Amino acid sequence: AQSVTQLDSQVPVFEEAPVELRCNYSSSVSVYLFWYVQYPNQGLQLLLKYLSGSTLVKGINGFEAEFNKSQTSFHLRKPSVHISDTAEYFCAVGNQAGTALIFGKGTTLSVSS
Amino acid sequence: GAVVSQHPSWVICKSGTSVKIECRSLDFQATTMFWYRQFPKQSLMLMATSNEGSKATYEQGVEKDKFLINHASLTLSTLTVTSAHPEDSSFYICSARGGTATDTQYFGPGTRLTVL
Repeated sequence: AQSVTQLDSQVPVFEEAPVELRCNYSSSVSVYLFWYVQYPNQGLQLLLKYLSGSTLVKGINGFEAEFNKSQTSFHLRKPSVHISDTAEYFCAVGNQAGTALIFGKGTTLSVSS
Repeated sequence: GAVVSQHPSWVICKSGTSVKIECRSLDFQATTMFWYRQFPKQSLMLMATSNEGSKATYEQGVEKDKFLINHASLTLSTLTVTSAHPEDSSFYICSARGGTATDTQYFGPGTRLTVL
C-alpha cells in the first residue's frame, strides 16, 4: 500500500523568503510523485511531477522538488515566495501517472509581507 | 495542458433530493475518470474509478447506491448524489485521463455541494 505524509500542516513565511514543504511517502512499488496547489474554492493545479529520470524536477511558478529514494522524500522548494503563493499544497503518489492518486493531508502556505 | 470541466461549480439543494454533477474532458478522450471528495480543510479521498462503458469501481466505504457514477461516453462522466443529506455536503473533484495508466490525469475545478 502507498501512503503520503506531509510533515507540516501550516507553514507561515514572509514574502521573498525561501520555503520548503516536506513530503514523505511509502510504497512497495515504483512511485510517481506529484505536487498540486489548490487556491480557495478551486480545483487542483499541477505544480510538478516526478515520473522517472532526473531527481530534480522543476515546475511552474518557480517551484522545484527533489526525489530522494533513500529518504523516501519529495520535498517542494521555492527560493523566494510571493504573496500570491498563499494556498494549500498537496503531495500525492501513484503507482503510475494515470492511476488514482493517494494524497497527503496538505500544507497551508501563508505568505505575509 | 488538457482541460477538464465540471458543472455545476456549486449547488445548493434540499435534503432528500438528488444532485447530478458532470465531469467533461474538453479536448481529449477520457478513458478513465476518477471521483474524489474533499471535506473542508482536509485532503482528497478517492471515491471511485470509472472506465468508459464499464461499471464504476468504488472505494471501500463508499455507498454505490448513494453515489451513482455513469461514464457513458469518452468525454463525460456523471456523479449523482441520491437522496442527499447534510453530511453529503462536500467539495467533489473529478480527474480524467486518456490512453493508458501511464498517461497524466487532469483535474477538474471541483463542485461545491451544500445540502440544507
